[in-house]
Amino acid sequence: DTAVSQTPKYLVTQMGNDKSIKCEQNLGHDTMYWYKQDSKKFLKIMFSYNNKELIINETVPNRFSPKSPDKAHLNLHINSLELGDSAVYFCASSQWGGGEKLFFGSGTQLSVL
Amino acid sequence: KNEVEQSPQNLTAQEGEFITINCSYSVGISALHWLQQHPGGGIVSLFMLSSGKKKHGRLIATINIQEKHSSLHITASHPRDSAVYICAVRFEGATNKLIFGTGTLLAVQP
Repeated sequence: DTAVSQTPKYLVTQMGNDKSIKCEQNLGHDTMYWYKQDSKKFLKIMFSYNNKELIINETVPNRFSPKSPDKAHLNLHINSLELGDSAVYFCASSQWGGGEKLFFGSGTQLSVL
Repeated sequence: KNEVEQSPQNLTAQEGEFITINCSYSVGISALHWLQQHPGGGIVSLFMLSSGKKKHGRLIATINIQEKHSSLHITASHPRDSAVYICAVRFEGATNKLIFGTGTLLAVQP
């Protein structure tokens, strides 16, 4: 059983398109995250949700909209994709507090052409 | 300048060597994480610590709160340890927000 699963693993799309990445965790965690890893492998937080409530919203363009239908799911929708959105996006989860161990999904490699 | 600095950026070692990766940060923290990212891309959490020392198998993580410094040690290194090791900190008062170091690329040669 995969603890944190995200789909798709690879996403290739044209500029201007809208796409979604889905994430689900079966660990019973309260908190879920989206991280972006750029071409230099640098990770940065985008969003954090706790029990479906938005806790962290970094300076991310509003073309990115997270949605948490329940505490086990956190999806990421991206409108009007741009070349600079190409990156690897990681979903993760932890118990509430941020000082708990993180569990990561396998990542989604997004390529915008 | 990143708030979390790792050194070295790249490290090549021979199998069996003792390896140390360092992480320094600028202000007080409430937690520090060590992560491992394999060549295939997956990220695994190795340790989360706020004081002292933790050990898991051949991996040891230490933190010195006063000096704002943490180290990750690998004893008897093996080629399967080859990965990127990433330090991440939660600064005091920053609920759930982790700041990441730039990573250390480790290659262990047989």
